[in-house]
Amino acid sequence: QITLKESGPTLVKPTQTLTLTCTFSGFSLTTSGVGVGWIRQPPGKALEWLALIYWDDDKRYSPSLKSRLTITKDTSKNQVVLTMTNMDPVDTATYYCAMTTLTSDAFDIWGQGTMVTVSS
Amino acid sequence: DIQMTQSPSSLSASVGDRVTITCRASQSISKYLYWYQQKPGKAPKLLIYAASSLQSGVPSRFSGSGSGTDFTLTISSLQAEDFATYYCQQSYRTPLTFGQGTKVEIK
Repeated sequence: QITLKESGPTLVKPTQTLTLTCTFSGFSLTTSGVGVGWIRQPPGKALEWLALIYWDDDKRYSPSLKSRLTITKDTSKNQVVLTMTNMDPVDTATYYCAMTTLTSDAFDIWGQGTMVTVSS
Repeated sequence: DIQMTQSPSSLSASVGDRVTITCRASQSISKYLYWYQQKPGKAPKLLIYAASSLQSGVPSRFSGSGSGTDFTLTISSLQAEDFATYYCQQSYRTPLTFGQGTKVEIK
């Protein structure tokens, strides 16, 4: 059974750096074709893709946020970490991680999400 | 960026109705189109991949069609558990982009 779970702070102050961890099980990020992505959703709004990392360490970022984002993986811990610098209240959202494969190219399995509020 | 535009933004329907949601891409995306269902407070769930392939475990009343720029998600007979918000997403080119969502409400 494949599961993913996001963890991190629920509240951050403006200008701070957010660090989110996606811990997964049931698959390996050393398997060819597998990737993990981050997607966020402000309250009442649509989904927005942020970043994606593949088994071969290929990394993709949303151009509009690229300067603020870093995605890394730790295959020994089955974790993917997303950092976002210079947080602003508009970054308040539920942040999801999700698994993808080059076979389906979709986000097949999602974590439950973690709500992050940016406020002083 | 490839813009994904869904229509309608919301609709009201009754159990048993046939429901169709449209997604249009701002440029051709071949069949790199996916549909997700999201219920309040829950993560999205993949329904359809590659425009028309049904994800394992998804009821057969859901179907997808289209290629290029125009796509549809059809629910052949709406069930109570189908009231939710539906999103399309393209993976033809990064940045990956989603539609704005279509909320299906009870009539």
